[in-house]
Amino acid sequence: AQKVTQAQTEISVVEKEDVTLDCVYETRDTTYYLFWYKQPPSGELVFLIRRNSFDEQNEISGRYSWNFQKSTSSFNFTITASQVVDSAVYFCALSEEAGANSKLTFGKGITLSVRP
Amino acid sequence: DSGVTQTPKHLITATGQRVTLRCSPRSGDLSVYWYQQSLDQGLQFLIQYYNGEERAKGNILERFSAQQFPDLHSELNLSSLELGDSALYFCASSVGLAGVYEQFFGPGTRLTVL
Repeated sequence: AQKVTQAQTEISVVEKEDVTLDCVYETRDTTYYLFWYKQPPSGELVFLIRRNSFDEQNEISGRYSWNFQKSTSSFNFTITASQVVDSAVYFCALSEEAGANSKLTFGKGITLSVRP
Repeated sequence: DSGVTQTPKHLITATGQRVTLRCSPRSGDLSVYWYQQSLDQGLQFLIQYYNGEERAKGNILERFSAQQFPDLHSELNLSSLELGDSALYFCASSVGLAGVYEQFFGPGTRLTVL
């Protein structure tokens, strides 16, 4: 069965600090997809990134970067020079290819507070 | 704005009652998913529909049911409501069936059972 673990529950940083959110996953499939979603205080879930299991290249998008390492089953998310607007709950999620069942399995989420 | 709409935004009802949550997927998306977010269970997959057919079930109670209509909108019916059903219910949509497609989430319906 698939599982996503976000061991950090709450992180508090001061604005402009860098912060890394950890995600560890478990799956028996060789083809799978990893996602990060952001849930700001307003409550909606905002898609941030999708990465497939065959692409281990790191990705950078502005102040956001993601590090995918199959060897450690991790898909970590780093925010550089954090801002108050980054305050939110961040979810890592996993979807498997097998069986055409593309449900998302979410981690418990990490609450990030960025203080001015 | 993800393009996925959900109504109502808030719903307050009493135990034992029945409610219907509605979701309209993004234009062109054939797959609809329902998720429940609660403090104790986190975000959990309930059910998936693709082009009108049920494709996968997760931790969905027998008191809950869903359907996807020919115009692709979906409804989640919750009956014999209990206090523990209070949660944020999300609908998501994606263009296809496989995990390769990202799911875009609606704003959610916050259900409060008193």
